[in-house]
This record gives sequence, structure tokens and C-alpha cells, in this order.
Amino acid sequence: EPEVTQTPSHQVTQMGQEVILRCVPISNHLYFYWYRQILGQKVEFLVSFYNNEISEKSEIFDDQFSVERPDGSNFTLKIRSTKLEDSAMYFCASSPAFSKHYEQYFGPGTRLTVT
Amino acid sequence: QKEVEQDPGPLSVPEGAIVSLNCTYSNSAFQYFMWYRQYSRKGPELLMYTYSSGNKEDGRFTAQVDKSSKYISLFIRDSQPSDSATYLCAMTFHGSSNTGKLIFGQGTTLQVKP
Repeated sequence: EPEVTQTPSHQVTQMGQEVILRCVPISNHLYFYWYRQILGQKVEFLVSFYNNEISEKSEIFDDQFSVERPDGSNFTLKIRSTKLEDSAMYFCASSPAFSKHYEQYFGPGTRLTVT
Repeated sequence: QKEVEQDPGPLSVPEGAIVSLNCTYSNSAFQYFMWYRQYSRKGPELLMYTYSSGNKEDGRFTAQVDKSSKYISLFIRDSQPSDSATYLCAMTFHGSSNTGKLIFGQGTTLQVKP
């Protein structure tokens, strides 16, 4: 069964460093998303992406964040200058078509630890 | 008032029990209602989704939506120890206002004891 994959599974970085989190969505999906989950808190929406453009971003997704689909298979989240409060699980998700935004499939997540 | 509220539990039941998990919400514009299961330190796994009001059944799982009360439920029949996980409700909009943003509840931690 196709699944969303994410690398790395765990990333440790120092405050102020740039990190890139990578995702490979399900191959025939058209819509891509990033969410984060701070330990013990809700899963929070960061950004949705379609046709090489951001569809919506949350207030969390400030100028330090960017997303890119550099080729036909990868979807990346970049944090330019990490802060301690960026420590969280980051989940990538994808869905097959506009009518199926409600059918989002999540990857296993990348645990980001900022020290 | 929070957009989506869900009792975090934990909820502990014996194997074979019927489990009822619930969420309330405040935004009447929500039209799609999803239930995800999340095992510890894993990604959310989509269990079921429902459009607008009504019931939907899938095996041992039944999802109910009552839009008049802004209340959704997930019932698990004949619960198994393997059902032990955190259950997340999530909601989103329909049509042109739907950009894919899911709004999640806190999640309810369920433990099914053998």
C-alpha cells in the first residue's frame, strides 16, 4: 500500500541553524501539507501546497519557513533559523485531489530537536 | 471558545467493551469530519471521514455527526488491545473555502485492557 515517507526520522540542530525536512508524498497525490505537533499538544496545520504554490499558511508559518517541491517526488519544509520553540514532530501529508482534502494521509513524522 | 474540543482522557476499558469518543466544535462552517488514530510517536492514520450529518460504519467503527449540536462521535465495538492509541478528531470546510487545513482536537488516549 502506498505511503508517505519522511526523512530524517530525528533531526537534532542548534538554535539558529537551518534545517530541511524531506517528504515523499504518495505518487499520484496532488495536494501536500505540513503539520507540526509539539509534545503533548494538538496537531497544528502549517501550510498547504498545490500546483507549486502555497494555498494557505497558518500564523505559525512565518518568514522563517518555506516549502518547495524541487522535483516530481519530493516535498520539503525549510526552517531558516531554528528556535527552541520549533522543537516538535513535523508531519507531511498528501491527498489525491481537491475534493479529497478530507482524505489526507500522513507520514511517520520527523522529530526536530533544537538545542 | 476553542474551535475543536476533545477530552484528552485517558480512557481505560476492558477488552470487548464499546468505546465512545467525542468531540465538540464551534464553527458551523465545518462540513467534513475525520477520525484519525495515532500510535505513540507515529503519524496520524485516517480511520474514517463523514460529510455533513449522519452516520458512517466501517467494520467495528461507527462515526456519527450531529451538526445541530456541533458534536461528533466515534464508536468502537468489541474493542481490542490493539485499539489502544490516541484518537484524534479533525474537521475542515467544503468548497472554495477548503484549502486543506485540518483543525484537530487534542486527542483522546484509549487503553483497552485484556
